[in-house]
Amino acid sequence: EPEVTQTPSHQVTQMGQEVILRCVPISNHLYFYWYRQILGQKVEFLVSFYNNEISEKSEIFDDQFSVERPDGSNFTLKIRSTKLEDSAMYFCASNQGRYTEAFFGQGTRLTVV
Amino acid sequence: AQTVTQSQPEMSVQEAETVTLSCTYDTSESNYYLFWYKQPPSRQMILVIRQEAYKQQNATENRFSVNFQKAAKSFSLKISDSQLGDTAMYFCAFRAMDSNYQLIWGAGTKLIIKP
Repeated sequence: EPEVTQTPSHQVTQMGQEVILRCVPISNHLYFYWYRQILGQKVEFLVSFYNNEISEKSEIFDDQFSVERPDGSNFTLKIRSTKLEDSAMYFCASNQGRYTEAFFGQGTRLTVV
Repeated sequence: AQTVTQSQPEMSVQEAETVTLSCTYDTSESNYYLFWYKQPPSRQMILVIRQEAYKQQNATENRFSVNFQKAAKSFSLKISDSQLGDTAMYFCAFRAMDSNYQLIWGAGTKLIIKP
């Protein structure tokens, strides 16, 4: 069964460093998303991506964040100059069409120290 | 703006019992989807069940069913014959059909199934 794959499963980084979280969406999916979940809190939407551009982003998704689909298969989230409060579980999701359900990856746990 | 509220932070039931998780939402949209996701200790987000707002019939998936009350903006999840593997966080989520793509999430309910 096709699935969304995220790497790494756990990333530890020092405050101020840049991190890149990687996702391989399901191959025939067209819409891609990043969400985050700070421990013990709600899941929060970060950004959606369609047709090689950002279609929507939340107020959390500021200049510190960027997304890219560099090669037609990977979908990456870059966080520049990480802060302690960026520590969270980051989920990638994709769906085939606008009206279909999103499938989630297993998440990347980011710890900023 | 849409909001999703789950008023039960934690619930626990005995194995084989039936349990109902509550979810209410607020929206001015007329066309939307509602979802229940399960997040086990592994923290992966797994779709349990989905309901299209235009469908009057309540969705069911094996032991999982919903009670969708559109006028009351209520979307509860019923788990029948609960199993130990049902222990997880359960999140209710909303997505408008026309205005945007993002999921709006509730705070979650921690469900513990006791042997």
